[in-house]
Parts: sequence; structure tokens; C-alpha cells
Amino acid sequence: KNEVEQSPQNLTAQEGEFITINCSYSVGISALHWLQQHPGGGIVSLFMLSSGKKKHGRLIATINIQEKHSSLHITASHPRDSAVYICAVVQGGSQGNLIFGKGTKLSVKP
Amino acid sequence: GAGVSQSPSNKVTEKGKDVELRCDPISGHTALYWYRQRLGQGLEFLIYFQGNSAPDKSGLPSDRFSAERTGESVSTLTIQRTQQEDSAVYLCASSQGNLGGTQYFGPGTRLTVL
Repeated sequence: KNEVEQSPQNLTAQEGEFITINCSYSVGISALHWLQQHPGGGIVSLFMLSSGKKKHGRLIATINIQEKHSSLHITASHPRDSAVYICAVVQGGSQGNLIFGKGTKLSVKP
Repeated sequence: GAGVSQSPSNKVTEKGKDVELRCDPISGHTALYWYRQRLGQGLEFLIYFQGNSAPDKSGLPSDRFSAERTGESVSTLTIQRTQQEDSAVYLCASSQGNLGGTQYFGPGTRLTVL
């Protein structure tokens, strides 16, 4: 069993829909990252959080430490949001190296 | 430049040859990470450098892989006697060194071993 599980693996949405991507992890963590990988391969850090909720534009990330679960929400989705979204955790006591989920491939249709 | 840079962007090599991949982190970032992503798979941690401390090599898949970093600047990842299963995109990231701090990724080097 992977230490970081994401769901769904693939997601197709219509432009304007509200999107949720889930991440569950099985290890104690000091932080959780949400990353975005564009079709060309470039990776961008969206959020780094260790508790509560963060918002940036149309993106919202939440984490529940007790339940070992995080969600990434996209409001009013747009075709340019199409990418692979990756959840990654920093295991407690580690040096900061990330343990990655397998990613969720999102496709937003116009 | 403001971001993490990597070179080359693409490398094709023959099985058994050695390759060297380079990463230039963001200036002032003390932490540097190497990851790889094999085709259709998730990202894997390889090695971590923090300042002048001994690197965390726990993710290196075999002794054919090694990496060096000069102070808090450039890092090179060397793969000796490459194998076909080494084909992957090798990504470098840097951060300001706070544990769990935001990591900034380079564009990656796509390595193909024939």
C-alpha cells in the first residue's frame, strides 16, 4: 500500500464545475504539499500546509491532521486548469524530502 | 535567472555509458533535492542536500547513482553504467531549507537510455 493515496486517478469536468481531489496518507507528517504538473512536465508548487486551510485565487486546500486527509478544491474550473495534481507529504522527522502520491489527471472541457 | 535550472533538458545515451546531470538552484536556497519520474509513474525521492551537512542518500536506487553539491550552489547527479530502467525525467528542486518549506522545481532532464 502506498503511503500517499490520491483519488480519483483521472477526472474529467466541464468548464465551470467545482472540483475536489482527495489525498490520504498513512504516515505522520510535518507538512503536506499540493503540486501541479503541466502537460509539458513542469511542476509548480501550489500549497504547503500543515493545518487548516489555505486559499489562493480559485484554489483551496484543506487538511485534517487527525484523519490524515487533505483535499484540493478548484472553483469555477477552466480548461487551463487541466494538469496532473500531485499530493506529497513530508514525513515527520525527515529532512523535508517528499513522498508523492501518484497524481490526479484533471481534464476540464470547454 | 529567478528559477531552478537544469541541464541538459534532454539526454540520450547508450546502455553502459555514464551520464552527468546538472542542477542550478535558486540563489540563497540551502536545500536541494533530486527526484525522478519514470514514465507513467509517480515521483520518487533520490537525494537531499542541506548546506554543508552530509547528504541524505536514502532514495538512491543503486550504487551506480551518486550526487555532489558544491557548497550551496550547483549540484550534479551522476549515473554510472546506465541501464534502460534509468530512463526517466530527473527533477531538481530547491528550498530555503525550512523543513517542509515550499520547494521550487526545475524543468527536469529527460534521460533516455537506449
